[in-house]
Amino acid sequence: SQTIHQWPATLVQPVGSPLSLECTVEGTSNPNLYWYRQAAGRGLQLLFYSVGIGQISSEVPQNLSASRPQDRQFILSSKKLLLSDSGFYLCAWSHHGTAYEQYFGPGTRLTVT
Amino acid sequence: SQQGEEDPQALSIQEGENATMNCSYKTSINNLQWYRQNSGRGLVHLILIRSNEREKHSGRLRVTLDTSKKSSSLLITASRAADTASYFCATGLTGNQFYFGTGTSLTVIP
Repeated sequence: SQTIHQWPATLVQPVGSPLSLECTVEGTSNPNLYWYRQAAGRGLQLLFYSVGIGQISSEVPQNLSASRPQDRQFILSSKKLLLSDSGFYLCAWSHHGTAYEQYFGPGTRLTVT
Repeated sequence: SQQGEEDPQALSIQEGENATMNCSYKTSINNLQWYRQNSGRGLVHLILIRSNEREKHSGRLRVTLDTSKKSSSLLITASRAADTASYFCATGLTGNQFYFGTGTSLTVIP
């Protein structure tokens, strides 16, 4: 069966510090991978998605970047965090195309102070 | 911008009652999916309805889709306290993107 891991679960970082969140998927190959951000009490905002190694599509211009160094690894990064980067970050995977459901990780709660 | 908008934003009902929440979207879609999120957790897929389908059932869930009105509804029958969560619709467009709505927060009172 497939599983998706995200870490860390919670993170408190000062403004201006770097960020690296990691997501890995097990039990499937060549998945689509997604990063979402959820502000408190709000819906999910699609940040990045990837259909393959090294292929990243950005949905929203922002202070963040994403990379996919391996087939089942997706990393969200920032060189300098802003207060507005605080939120709940969710990684998800799906089979290729949008005809399939997405499977979500447990999320990372990021607080920028 | 987000594709979907759920209505109502919050819903509070008694256990055993039915809960209905609606989702409106803006552009043509391939499919529409509903997800549930318990507080502070990841989302869990509930049901997927394709653009050529009008109604779908899964257990106590009933989803309808009206592509002419660009809207969908999720009905949870005989609600339970464990159904308390936020519910999101997500539209699947051509390509690989999904766009989530703003969510409906459901509280089921025992």
